[in-house]
Amino acid sequence: EAGVVQSPRYKIIEKKQPVAFWCNPISGHNTLYWYLQNLGQGPELLIRYENEEAVDDSQLPKDRFSAERLKGVDSTLKIQPAELGDSAVYLCASSLYGATEAFFGQGTRLTVV
Amino acid sequence: DAKTTQPPSMDCAEGRAANLPCNHSTISGNEYVYWYRQIHSQGPQYIIHGLKNNETNEMASLIITEDRKSSTLILPHATLRDTAVYYCIVKDFGNEKLTFGTGTRLTIIP
Repeated sequence: EAGVVQSPRYKIIEKKQPVAFWCNPISGHNTLYWYLQNLGQGPELLIRYENEEAVDDSQLPKDRFSAERLKGVDSTLKIQPAELGDSAVYLCASSLYGATEAFFGQGTRLTVV
Repeated sequence: DAKTTQPPSMDCAEGRAANLPCNHSTISGNEYVYWYRQIHSQGPQYIIHGLKNNETNEMASLIITEDRKSSTLILPHATLRDTAVYYCIVKDFGNEKLTFGTGTRLTIIP
């Protein structure tokens, strides 16, 4: 069974440019998460979806970040415009609602120059 | 969710048992202890979880003290592939949010 798939694995952009990350969760998983991980820190939740509904987006900087999960399957996280401080790893995870285990993708490493 | 405290780093010799401690003194009665690990350049991976009884699976054992204020993750025969950052997380079973701290960086030494 395929795990959580994220693309791209690496992205380098200039500041003020837009960027988008894509996540394909494990088939059948209705809960999807986006996490941000800064160097040397643990992941921090940005947004959580139950099917296509964003049920927790309190930590998402809505002035520049947006996310969508159309049809309750794939998800896209966008930053526009990117800032130098957005350089980090962006992790996507999925789980069955109420399950004990969340499955993470390998992440997208973003470098803003 | 209750806060957890872990040592920032630990070393363990290959083939020995690795014992990773976690303090969670403010844990409440309905909160579980979860452990995840993150190998370099990968996403976190679930290891084990428990409420108050000791738990064991194919990856590790989890020992929770009787007062539930601390726990220990045990990797019985550590290999080089166990080198990773280990996160101890406390959360309600029905709470879908994982709150990570900075974890313990475990280095397995040949």
